Amino acid sequence: EAGVAQSPRYKIIEKRQSVAFWCNPISGHATLYWYQQILGQGPKLLIQFQNNGVVDDSQLPKDRFSAERLKGVDSTLKIQPAKLEDSAVYLCASSLGDSSYNEQFFGPGTRLTVL
Amino acid sequence: AQKVTQAQTEISVVEKEDVTLDCVYETRDTTYYLFWYKQPPSGELVFLIRRNSFDEQNEISGRYSWNFQKSTSSFNFTITASQVVDSAVYFCALRMPGSARQLTFGSGTQLTVLP
Repeated sequence: EAGVAQSPRYKIIEKRQSVAFWCNPISGHATLYWYQQILGQGPKLLIQFQNNGVVDDSQLPKDRFSAERLKGVDSTLKIQPAKLEDSAVYLCASSLGDSSYNEQFFGPGTRLTVL
Repeated sequence: AQKVTQAQTEISVVEKEDVTLDCVYETRDTTYYLFWYKQPPSGELVFLIRRNSFDEQNEISGRYSWNFQKSTSSFNFTITASQVVDSAVYFCALRMPGSARQLTFGSGTQLTVLP
């Protein structure tokens, strides 16, 4: 079974530029998550989708971050404009359902460096 | 609010030693789930175990074992006869039941197993 795919793996941009990350979840997984992991910290949830609807985006900085999952499969996360403090690894995860019991499967992440 | 504390930032052991990673959690709910994830240098978080709050039985899986004690709000993880491949960052996490409930991670423990 293929795992969660993410691209790119690495991205370096200057502050105030825009960047987009892509995630392809495990086939059949209805729930998709985006996490931000700052160096030395645990992942922090940015947004959760159930199919193509947003379930939780309470910690998403909506003035600069946006995410979509138009067809309920792939998802993109965008930052516009980027700030220095956005430097982090952005992890995508998916699960069969949104129950707390469901195991989340994580992708390898995209490491973003903002200069 | 929920909180997970992993007080050990870094641990180094020599191969074949036993090592215990501590996890203390805070929640006012009586029902919850606890998780352990492993994050090797490749970056993907790998699920290790899930435990619900009503099951206080300790669990053993090969060289891994988990000690859950509600009285002290702890969910500690022991690796017996550690190996170099166990070197990784280990995260403890907490989640409330139901949908749209965030997975709250601790800050992680970097384990280095020396040959």
